[in-house]
Amino acid sequence: DTGVSQNPRHKITKRGQNVTFRCDPISEHNRLYWYRQTLGQGPEFLTYFQNEAQLEKSRLLSDRFSAERPKGSFSTLEIQRTEQGDSAMYLCASSLVLEGETQYFGPGTRLLVL
Amino acid sequence: SQKIEQNSEALNIQEGKTATLTCNYTNYSPAYLQWYRQDPGRGPVFLLLIRENEKEKRKERLKVTFDTTLKQSLFHITASQPADSATYLCALDPFTSGTYKYIFGTGTRLKVLA
Repeated sequence: DTGVSQNPRHKITKRGQNVTFRCDPISEHNRLYWYRQTLGQGPEFLTYFQNEAQLEKSRLLSDRFSAERPKGSFSTLEIQRTEQGDSAMYLCASSLVLEGETQYFGPGTRLLVL
Repeated sequence: SQKIEQNSEALNIQEGKTATLTCNYTNYSPAYLQWYRQDPGRGPVFLLLIRENEKEKRKERLKVTFDTTLKQSLFHITASQPADSATYLCALDPFTSGTYKYIFGTGTRLKVLA
């Protein structure tokens, strides 16, 4: 499968713990996006990278959230000191600039904070 | 403030009929608008992109229109099938700032009845 992959698919954690999610985009894609989605809502933009540079970060993203894309390939999203309000589906998407702005989404990581 | 609105109520239609979904936006001047399909527990899947200088775009049984004066896009599925049942999301790039911070609507759930 050459699509976007995300790991883990599900994560249950206790409040206050740190969690890290990984996203592997389509190999030649140079843009990578992270979104958060709660039930009944559309995906909410968190941040995006062009190659390894993080170019935009939502003001909704608190200091507890950090994302990296160290070599312009895979990306990680870390949430420190999780809160129950962080429970959501975390989606990753990638795109290739030359193909316009079609975003290819991964299956998501569903986080539940107890 | 900037806002995207999709009909949050589910749309039920009979198989074979045409489904029409609406996406309205305010205080945006998007360069293009996208439509995605999302099945429960999965990431969105890209369907169509329409640019601001295009009035209409078609792909198989799908048709999208874009009226920048009304600030509205309509998404049509002709000859609908039960397999078309899903949530459909519209997404805008508020390109006025030259960023790629996509904004998604809340989605409209479509159910095609056999």
